[in-house]
Amino acid sequence: GAVVSQHPSWVICKSGTSVKIECRSLDFQATTMFWYRQFPKQSLMLMATSNEGSKATYEQGVEKDKFLINHASLTLSTLTVTSAHPEDSSFYICSAGRELGYNSPLHFGNGTRLTVT
Amino acid sequence: GENVEQHPSTLSVQEGDSAVIKCTYSDSASNYFPWYKQELGKRPQLIIDIRSNVGEKKDQRIAVTLNKTAKHFSLHITETQPEDSAVYFCAASWPFGAAGNKLTFGGGTRVLVKP
Repeated sequence: GAVVSQHPSWVICKSGTSVKIECRSLDFQATTMFWYRQFPKQSLMLMATSNEGSKATYEQGVEKDKFLINHASLTLSTLTVTSAHPEDSSFYICSAGRELGYNSPLHFGNGTRLTVT
Repeated sequence: GENVEQHPSTLSVQEGDSAVIKCTYSDSASNYFPWYKQELGKRPQLIIDIRSNVGEKKDQRIAVTLNKTAKHFSLHITETQPEDSAVYFCAASWPFGAAGNKLTFGGGTRVLVKP
């Protein structure tokens, strides 16, 4: 079964509004979670690394003030798309590793399809 | 940073035939190579992974090979079935720390298995 839960699975919002996406690790603690964005028929692009209790690390070209990440607990990371615009419409997916240590498999949430009108 | 190239971008095979997807990576420090299968509108699902201390790994109809010297790795699916139709992504990861993997994905291969 799923080990990473993401909510909502889809959301439609108007331009200028903000949208919050939640990512939860189920039955395990995740000090690190990753946020990806996927445009139609394209690959997954890493946006940022969410670190529990500290600031997120953003990939080059990703606006930290636009994509706010909060990793307030060991099982929850949130991504807030602020002042959303139509070009932000995409599939956002989070991931986390069940085990500590590198080379542990990453499990993905079910994704959130964001449509900005 | 790491760069992962994946070929082909689309692959059509007849049911029962084999499918092979190839990936190359740029960073010699990468040491973990997972493969994900993604069906339309769904999350990527890990199907197999390989670590740099292993040259080949097999799980039923799926196998992965790794050539560290050449920095390329491949996914092999034998006896393909219609339910194998999906988009497959390779990825590479390098030591990130104690907390998990930072993956760079290939561009994806859309596999269509024709009955």
